[in-house]
Amino acid sequence: DVKVTQSSRYLVKRTGEKVFLECVQDMDHENMFWYRQDPGLGLRLIYFSYDVKMKEKGDIPEGYSVSREKKERFSLILESASTNQTSMYLCAIQKVDNQPQHFGDGTRLSIL
Amino acid sequence: AQSVTQPDIHITVSEGASLELRCNYSYGATPYLFWYVQSPGQGLQLLLKYFSGDTLVQGIKGFEAEFKRSQSSFNLRKPSVHWSDAAEYFCAVGVYSSASKIIFGSGTRLSIRP
Repeated sequence: DVKVTQSSRYLVKRTGEKVFLECVQDMDHENMFWYRQDPGLGLRLIYFSYDVKMKEKGDIPEGYSVSREKKERFSLILESASTNQTSMYLCAIQKVDNQPQHFGDGTRLSIL
Repeated sequence: AQSVTQPDIHITVSEGASLELRCNYSYGATPYLFWYVQSPGQGLQLLLKYFSGDTLVQGIKGFEAEFKRSQSSFNLRKPSVHWSDAAEYFCAVGVYSSASKIIFGSGTRLSIRP
């Protein structure tokens, strides 16, 4: 079974804090993705990575950065959290291009 | 630009009834198409995928989907729903690019009437 582990299921932070969301895979997949999910908007791609130390912006990268120092770990960073970043964050992995993505259980992040 | 439309935001069906969830896509070439299901508080689980070949695709949990190129549709069906099928369903299209993004529809929430 494909296993994608997100470090926290629920997280509460304060405005202005630096927030780290971690995603770890045990499948040796090349591609990793971060999405946010909001009611009525579906999933929106924040950043993705197709190799160690490689990253590309998705559709809504503003206010976020990412880090991929090792193949199995992909971190999403909120440099200075704001209330409009309250959302469900989903990590996904993909073995190679055009294959299905496999998702973690998500982190529900609240910024107060 | 590529896009996916799920015209129904919320559908309610009776347990044991048949189900069809609609999905239309916009893409210039032959698409890769997916259906995912999300139970409350969970991530997305892949139900089925279409890459090429037979246009009727079988998936897990008794679901199937039919690719109709002429209608740019990829509707999801199940002959008899169970209460455990209550969830949100997402249609998605694969985009051919250097890192193979997937474009998701906005989802259809399925409720089951006892």
